[in-house]
Amino acid sequence: KQEVTQIPAALSVPEGENLVLNCSFTDSAIYNLQWFRQDPGKGLTSLLLIQSSQREQTSGRLNASLDKSSGRSTLYIAASQPGDSATYLCAVVGSSQGGSEKLVFGKGTKLTVNP
Amino acid sequence: DAGITQSPRHKVTETGTPVTLRCHQTENHRYMYWYRQDPGHGLRLIHYSYGVKDTDKGEVSDGYSVSRSKTEDFLLTLESATSSQTSVYFCAISPAREIGYTFGSGTRLTVV
Repeated sequence: KQEVTQIPAALSVPEGENLVLNCSFTDSAIYNLQWFRQDPGKGLTSLLLIQSSQREQTSGRLNASLDKSSGRSTLYIAASQPGDSATYLCAVVGSSQGGSEKLVFGKGTKLTVNP
Repeated sequence: DAGITQSPRHKVTETGTPVTLRCHQTENHRYMYWYRQDPGHGLRLIHYSYGVKDTDKGEVSDGYSVSRSKTEDFLLTLESATSSQTSVYFCAISPAREIGYTFGSGTRLTVV
């Protein structure tokens, strides 16, 4: 059974700092990995999608890397801003699910960026 | 989110009553999912659908049923609501795993 772990569970940083969020998964047979952002009381917003054949994806100040063999992904946020405060979720789709395409989530990292 | 809506947004119901949550999409995506989100547990899959009338169970399916009679609608039914089903329910859609997933805004359900 695939398990996804995110460390740390919570992180507080001053504005302007560069930071890294970590995600690990137990079964390296994944099809892809997706990072989401969730604001309090809101739904999930997709940030980046990395296919298993890719090493990284970038969008603005965000960069996500994937090391499938070691079961790890990182989300790098450059020059953090108070508006980045949210919970960040990592989710994977297994490649051996027979087409069911199910996402398995970590429990998230709650990020607070202080002005 | 654009293309996917959940209704109702909030609901309070009594223990033992049936409850139906609706997920509606305008994207014509094949795959639809129901997740619940609880503190300490994160997001867990309840049921999913890979086509009209094609559904299957997720990891926390006990006490829930689903139906998909049209591509655009995926209904989640709590046959007899219990307090343990108090949660935030999210619907997600996807055309294919290579494209990724889009989530709705959620339904906050309270069972009293």
